[in-house]
Amino acid sequence: SQKIEQNSEALNIQEGKTATLTCNYTNYSPAYLQWYRQDPGRGPVFLLLIRENEKEKRKERLKVTFDTTLKQSLFHITASQPADSATYLCALGRGANDMRFGAGTRLTVKP
Amino acid sequence: GAVVSQHPSWVICKSGTSVKIECRSLDFQATTMFWYRQFPKQSLMLMATSNEGSKATYEQGVEKDKFLINHASLTLSTLTVTSAHPEDSSFYICSARVPLGGTDTQYFGPGTRLTVL
Repeated sequence: SQKIEQNSEALNIQEGKTATLTCNYTNYSPAYLQWYRQDPGRGPVFLLLIRENEKEKRKERLKVTFDTTLKQSLFHITASQPADSATYLCALGRGANDMRFGAGTRLTVKP
Repeated sequence: GAVVSQHPSWVICKSGTSVKIECRSLDFQATTMFWYRQFPKQSLMLMATSNEGSKATYEQGVEKDKFLINHASLTLSTLTVTSAHPEDSSFYICSARVPLGGTDTQYFGPGTRLTVL
């Protein structure tokens, strides 16, 4: 069966460091992968989308890589800030009607 | 752009009553909307896909008679939880399909916290 795993339930880092979150998947061939941010009691907010033929994508302090051979995506936040503290979800899909979410990683950036 | 709203943001109801949750696309037309539920510290679970003007497509295990979905216009989808019970208490989130550079993505509403007493 298909499985999406985000490396850890929680990640704590110091302000200014780079946070790296992992999303691994099995038994699935996504056409794209997305990362969302979710704050407590709120809906997810779209951050980045990377397609299967793209290796890397950047947006300000965010960087996403997508390795279809390893079946893995890495999500980096450079120069992290306490305001980056949230749960980050990866979502894989083959179309907007076919998106599957990981359980999320709760990131805490300490000042 | 691509803002999705939900109303109410939270609701408390008695067991046996019905609750309606609205999902609106504010600045665009959404032919397809999605309804999810999320339990604490768990992932989003897709309940159903709602297409404007047609019947919703429910995921396996979701009771269509209990979770009524209506997508009567291009900017509004509603989810009605009928005869709610405490086990229906959850965080309900809707999303709308949005085109993004040749690929479609989903933009989410802020969610509705339902508590059934």
